[in-house]
Amino acid sequence: GQNIDQPTEMTATEGAIVQINCTYQTSGFNGLFWYQQHAGEAPTFLSYNVLDGLEEKGRFSSFLSRSKGYSYLLLKELQMKDSASYLCAVRDDKIIFGKGTRLHILP
Amino acid sequence: GAVVSQHPSRVICKSGTSVKIECRSLDFQATTMFWYRQFPKQSLMLMATSNEGSKATYEQGVEKDKFLINHASLTLSTLTVTSAHPEDSSFYICSARHQRDYGYTFGSGTRLTVV
Repeated sequence: GQNIDQPTEMTATEGAIVQINCTYQTSGFNGLFWYQQHAGEAPTFLSYNVLDGLEEKGRFSSFLSRSKGYSYLLLKELQMKDSASYLCAVRDDKIIFGKGTRLHILP
Repeated sequence: GAVVSQHPSRVICKSGTSVKIECRSLDFQATTMFWYRQFPKQSLMLMATSNEGSKATYEQGVEKDKFLINHASLTLSTLTVTSAHPEDSSFYICSARHQRDYGYTFGSGTRLTVV
């Protein structure tokens, strides 16, 4: 079966750092996506990891460990506009999404 | 590149009527497209995989007679919600597979409200 787990909600302070974890157990694996989604909008692509290790892109970084079935998204220098849902998704022959993590940023 | 256009962005329909949502790949040919549904404060749930020229593959629990998918060309897939009911009110979003970048592009979504 397919199982992708991530925390339901997280809260962090403006200017701080937050790490959103994702664990997965899927029948196949060809890569892992992180998307950002604001309420009522389509998801926006943030990152894509195929190989183990850390991918850094500005304030956002994503890490993957295929042997552990684990990924995290790291957000630095948090801004109020980062308040959104963050979706972990695994790619096999299709993309399967986790339930998403709603991130609340406090001033 | 790899742009997907989805229409309409919002639609309100009466209970019992049917609604068609279009998903077009504008600058590439999409042999495979995916349809997702998202209820408020929930994640995207895959409904079906649409393959050009063949029948769609539906995920478990999705009624294929209610959610009709047609992928008659390499640039267009449609989802028709038949005999819509208020519980079908949701955010529907399509995605197309391609050979560029990371291989998937999402449409902008359709907010369906059934009254």
